[in-house]
Amino acid sequence: AQSVTQLGSHVSVSEGALVLLRCNYSSSVPPYLFWYVQYPNQGLQLLLKYTTGATLVKGINGFEAEFKKSETSFHLTKPSAHMSDAAEYFCAVSGGNAGNMLTFGGGTRLMVKP
Amino acid sequence: DTAVSQTPKYLVTQMGNDKSIKCEQNLGHDTMYWYKQDSKKFLKIMFSYNNKELIINETVPNRFSPKSPDKAHLNLHINSLELGDSAVYFCASSLLVGGNEQFFGPGTRLTVL
Repeated sequence: AQSVTQLGSHVSVSEGALVLLRCNYSSSVPPYLFWYVQYPNQGLQLLLKYTTGATLVKGINGFEAEFKKSETSFHLTKPSAHMSDAAEYFCAVSGGNAGNMLTFGGGTRLMVKP
Repeated sequence: DTAVSQTPKYLVTQMGNDKSIKCEQNLGHDTMYWYKQDSKKFLKIMFSYNNKELIINETVPNRFSPKSPDKAHLNLHINSLELGDSAVYFCASSLLVGGNEQFFGPGTRLTVL
């Protein structure tokens, strides 16, 4: 079975500060890893994904994430937060017996202070 | 052009009623999904469906039944609605091959009174 843990249900940063959202996963097979963003009253939008190859993945809006197999982590970062980054962020995993179905973490609400 | 659309956006109904949520995708994908997001924003897969196979999540009550008239549509029918069914339901689609991005609809907020 797969599971995803996002440390910190709420993260608050100042505008211009580093954003770090943590994600750890458990999977019995090499996983596919995703970060999605959800703005208020909207659906989910893909930020970035890792399938194979380079472990540092760049996504939209200046976000990136690094797949670290030894740490079973896929943390999301952005060098400088913008007010428009305030949203709910979800880490997800798929693969193995679950096929392409996504297993989501509990989500992290990012708040950006002016 | 909307990639994945859902109707209705809001649905308010009484306990015990039967209701349906419709989903359509124009991406040519072969796999569609239903997810439930509860009041704490937790997202959980309910069903995965393609032309050949319906994969049912064992934790989903059998009051929930997906119906797919064709590859571009996956509707969700809910019988005998309960208070605990109140949530936001998201439809998504993707190509079947693992690792492909899932495209999500805007969600349907269901409120059971």
